[in-house]
Amino acid sequence: SQQGEEDPQALSIQEGENATMNCSYKTSINNLQWYRQNSGRGLVHLILIRSNEREKHSGRLRVTLDTSKKSSSLLITASRAADTASYFCATGEKPTNTDKLIFGTGTRLQVFP
Amino acid sequence: DGGITQSPKYLFRKEGQNVTLSCEQNLNHDAMYWYRQDPGQGLRLIYYSQIVNDFQKGDIAEGYSVSREKKESFPLTVTSAQKNPTAFYLCASRETGGNTGELFFGEGSRLTVL
Repeated sequence: SQQGEEDPQALSIQEGENATMNCSYKTSINNLQWYRQNSGRGLVHLILIRSNEREKHSGRLRVTLDTSKKSSSLLITASRAADTASYFCATGEKPTNTDKLIFGTGTRLQVFP
Repeated sequence: DGGITQSPKYLFRKEGQNVTLSCEQNLNHDAMYWYRQDPGQGLRLIYYSQIVNDFQKGDIAEGYSVSREKKESFPLTVTSAQKNPTAFYLCASRETGGNTGELFFGEGSRLTVL
């Protein structure tokens, strides 16, 4: 079942601009993760935020989580052409032993030089 | 370097044939997973294994089979019973089972049915 729904489906920006992607989910979670996928490649883990956290930073990435709204956002600051990729959110449902991450449909980000 | 190796990268199959996709990891991870990705879609879980000699069905297991005879290896067989097998297949591993840790992915195998 698809839980995460990313918004927008596609985003085009110029280098140097910020990119914001949103993810909404439906059930109670214990963590939410963001992954990046270059075209035709595997996914790479970017950041994990737990349900008791509201904000997390990693380099140019900033993730927020609002469990009351069942939503998360990923902000990429000062974007670069190399950031061009698809970005997916994935939720770990409660209880933690379900051993499943449920992935959203992704946001395709294009950064123009 | 530690990582996950999937092979082959591209595979063509005639209808009615079984094919096996290889997934090997040298990360010493206990848990391994197979996902399917269709164009413009997210990932859907096919099978997963938390320990050697044990595995569970995911959301779309019909038409697929797996084995976990060694910790390092988790091959996926796409059988002729899978009605629409053309897709991008991704193998992943995690240090332990559960859903609280990050997944490490291979580079994927693209299967095309002719």
